[in-house]
Amino acid sequence: NAGVTQTPKFQVLKTGQSMTLQCAQDMNHEYMSWYRQDPGMGLRLIHYSVGAGITDQGEVPNGYNVSRSTTEDFPLRLLSAAPSQTSVYFCASTKSGGGDTGELFFGEGSRLTVL
Amino acid sequence: KQEVTQIPAALSVPEGENLVLNCSFTDSAIYNLQWFRQDPGKGLTSLLLIQSSQREQTSGRLNASLDKSSGRSTLYIAASQPGDSATYLCATRGGAQKLVFGQGTRLTINP
Repeated sequence: NAGVTQTPKFQVLKTGQSMTLQCAQDMNHEYMSWYRQDPGMGLRLIHYSVGAGITDQGEVPNGYNVSRSTTEDFPLRLLSAAPSQTSVYFCASTKSGGGDTGELFFGEGSRLTVL
Repeated sequence: KQEVTQIPAALSVPEGENLVLNCSFTDSAIYNLQWFRQDPGKGLTSLLLIQSSQREQTSGRLNASLDKSSGRSTLYIAASQPGDSATYLCATRGGAQKLVFGQGTRLTINP
C-alpha cells in the first residue's frame, strides 16, 4: 500500500516555465488537497477536491490550477512559474468530504525552486 | 477565520522528561483536531486524531487532549527520547474540509 505518492521530489524551474506536480493515492480517498509549506508561514491550502470532477480554491490559489478526473489523481499545475512559488508542496488525502472526520495522510513533498 | 497558534516555537528538553506541547485555536466549530510529526525534509506523519466529540486520544507514549470550549489542545509526550526530536504540528478541520495548521513546535530531546 503506497499511500500518497508525489512526483517529482525535486524540481528547478526558470521563471515563466510551466510544470505539473503529480499526486496519486491508492486508498480510494475522496478528498484530496494541495498545500505549500514556507518558512514562517506554515502550511497553506492551495486547492482541494471532494471527489472526481469537483475542485475548489483554498487560501492561496493564485498561479495554480487543478483538475480531478479520477479518484486516484490530483495534479497541481503551475502555468507560469514565479520565484514566489518556490516552496515545498504537499499533497494530502482523506476518506471523504461532507463533514467526515477522517485522518489526513500526506505525501513526502515536492521541493520546487523557481529561478 | 480560524487561527491556530502553537507556543513555544521551539523547545529543548533532556531525555527522559515528560513534556507538553500546546495548540490553541480561535474557532471552536471544528470537526476534529489532528497532531502531526514532521522530520526535516520529510512529509507529515499523523500522530493522533481527536474528533470534536472526544476529550482525548492516546497512542503509546503520546496523549492528546481537546478542550473545544477553551480552544485548546495539548500533546503530552511521556519519557521523551532523542528519536522524538522533530517538529510537531497541530491542525483543526472545519467547514469545507479545510485544515488550518499551526506553525509548529520544533522539539529537541537532548541525550
